[in-house]
Amino acid sequence: GIQVEQSPPDLILQEGANSTLRCNFSDSVNNLQWFHQNPWGQLINLFYIPSGTKQNGRLSATTVATERYSLLYISSSQTTDSGVYFCAVYNQAGTALIFGKGTTLSVSS
Amino acid sequence: EAGVTQFPSHSVIEKGQTVTLRCDPISGHDNLYWYRRVMGKEIKFLLHFVKESKQDESGMPNNRFLAERTGGTYSTLKVQPAELEDSGVYFCASSQGGGLEQYFGPGTRLTVT
Repeated sequence: GIQVEQSPPDLILQEGANSTLRCNFSDSVNNLQWFHQNPWGQLINLFYIPSGTKQNGRLSATTVATERYSLLYISSSQTTDSGVYFCAVYNQAGTALIFGKGTTLSVSS
Repeated sequence: EAGVTQFPSHSVIEKGQTVTLRCDPISGHDNLYWYRRVMGKEIKFLLHFVKESKQDESGMPNNRFLAERTGGTYSTLKVQPAELEDSGVYFCASSQGGGLEQYFGPGTRLTVT
């Protein structure tokens, strides 16, 4: 099955810093999503981005499907950005999301 | 528009007992999914409904887990009998169509003691 790897596993930043999170996947995919799991455990949709680039405020994402990776950019990080960021791709049958292990981000003031 | 809701938010039961989790998807979403995250590991797929039919249940760990979606609206996930290793967070998600963006509920934290 498809393997999803995220890096780095942990990231510690000072407020105001920028960061890039990476998601590699082992096979071609049709759909990819980025999520933020907040300290209360809720999975918040960030981007649905099978290919190309999208931006939403301080966050942006780029997926290069032909090279099997996606990047999540966080600019001017804030303490509320802390939490776990997950990348997930659909399996070949399109019936399930396969998640990476996540990147744990800690932003301190 | 209301998001995906799950009930209960927390459940603490003893080993051997039965627990039923409920998920209400976003109105109009025919596709409903169950996932779980145990012991800080990655989030794993359990099964996928399209309306009331099970499309893919390859992630169900064993026959102690039973999912239903009668009428194609809300879904329940029953664990009977519960074991210690079933502890974790159970997420439900829904999407408008297969392969489209999934929206997750807040999860049910299950603790088996």
